[in-house]
Amino acid sequence: AQKVTQAQTEISVVEKEDVTLDCVYETRDTTYYLFWYKQPPSGELVFLIRRNSFDEQNEISGRYSWNFQKSTSSFNFTITASQVVDSAVYFCALSEAEGTDSWGKLQFGAGTQVVVTP
Amino acid sequence: DTEVTQTPKHLVMGMTNKKSLKCEQHMGHRAMYWYKQKAKKPPELMFVYSYEKLSINESVPSRFSPECPNSSLLNLHLHALQPEDSALYLCASSPDGEAYNEQFFGPGTRLTVL
Repeated sequence: AQKVTQAQTEISVVEKEDVTLDCVYETRDTTYYLFWYKQPPSGELVFLIRRNSFDEQNEISGRYSWNFQKSTSSFNFTITASQVVDSAVYFCALSEAEGTDSWGKLQFGAGTQVVVTP
Repeated sequence: DTEVTQTPKHLVMGMTNKKSLKCEQHMGHRAMYWYKQKAKKPPELMFVYSYEKLSINESVPSRFSPECPNSSLLNLHLHALQPEDSALYLCASSPDGEAYNEQFFGPGTRLTVL
């Protein structure tokens, strides 16, 4: 069963617009970790952020911000004032710390393609 | 050095060929991973090595054979592949394979099987 859902397949914006990527996850574990990765056209996945299940503080890093809400099982990602260099596929991923079957595995969502045009 | 390197960048092989993919990291990480990624799909985990021992095999066909000669190196030996095995093969590493570790990915090897 899909544990991480990224419902948006592709989002197209014009430079300087804000874009929010949705991520909804499903787990029975109490302890788990959520990640966002960026995959530019070159192919390499770049780690952006990790959040643990006990830390619901929102985070801002430059133009990037993340909103973690356990009540809705969501971990959304916003790019403010988008730039062409933000064009990439963005993956949300879940890592469960308690299940023996899933331990040590990153479970990725389907990814959201972000296209930023000048 | 915070890099994971992979060679070759591109590989074209016939269905009867034997080839190997190589991955290297010098971050002192003790967990290494192979993923397969088809176009417009997320990476799919294939194998995990933890402290140089195979800890996870996601029911991968035997035509893919992983090897971890030491803690810095990870190989993927390929033999008798099928055209549907054409994909981007990504290597990753993490400090010790624990759930909270972020994984560091290499640039991948783009494999085409003819």
